[in-house]
Amino acid sequence: NAGVTQTPKFRVLKTGQSMTLLCAQDMNHEYMYWYRQDPGMGLRLIHYSVGEGTTAKGEVPDGYNVSRLKKQNFLLGLESAAPSQTSVYFCASSYRGKVEPQHFGDGTRLSIL
Amino acid sequence: GIQVEQSPPDLILQEGANSTLRCNFSDSVNNLQWFHQNPWGQLINLFYIPSGTKQNGRLSATTVATERYSLLYISSSQTTDSGVYFCAVERASNTGKLIFGQGTTLQVKP
Repeated sequence: NAGVTQTPKFRVLKTGQSMTLLCAQDMNHEYMYWYRQDPGMGLRLIHYSVGEGTTAKGEVPDGYNVSRLKKQNFLLGLESAAPSQTSVYFCASSYRGKVEPQHFGDGTRLSIL
Repeated sequence: GIQVEQSPPDLILQEGANSTLRCNFSDSVNNLQWFHQNPWGQLINLFYIPSGTKQNGRLSATTVATERYSLLYISSSQTTDSGVYFCAVERASNTGKLIFGQGTTLQVKP
């Protein structure tokens, strides 16, 4: 049982490059989330999705785009990476977001030079 | 927005000691979770506890929703308990959006 899988685990980018982070869950969860964690801080919500084909902004959405074309996948895109986006990115998923805990992936460590 | 404050920010214990971590939140919530982030950065879900008391081995948690706080108890601490403990809450939004506290960094010395 894989749970929530994030790829890649590590990545180094140059300023201005683009990339996509992939999150896949095998628990048939409706809700999926992308968070970022900066040093010494808790996680902050970037974007989330309450179902296939839907996305919404979280606390810190600027500079990111997301897509949820399939229920099991949630993609986070950086169109033009900036050093301020250096962070650890976590994906999570849950049933309906209300009566079940969120399950987290192991994170993607992203460095922008 | 809702504020989540955790205390203490840092805690150093000798192996075998007990500890209590606190999470205060500023508004009504319908979801509260405690997480342990281990030294490898993985987030481990400890408790889903919007109210009441739960126990899992040496760990237990109590949330008093009416008074807007939650406590995480660690008994007979072990070095493997080291890491950062996060409290996260969701307001009554039905979208599951979690707001995290700043965390408590725990170091258990042998």
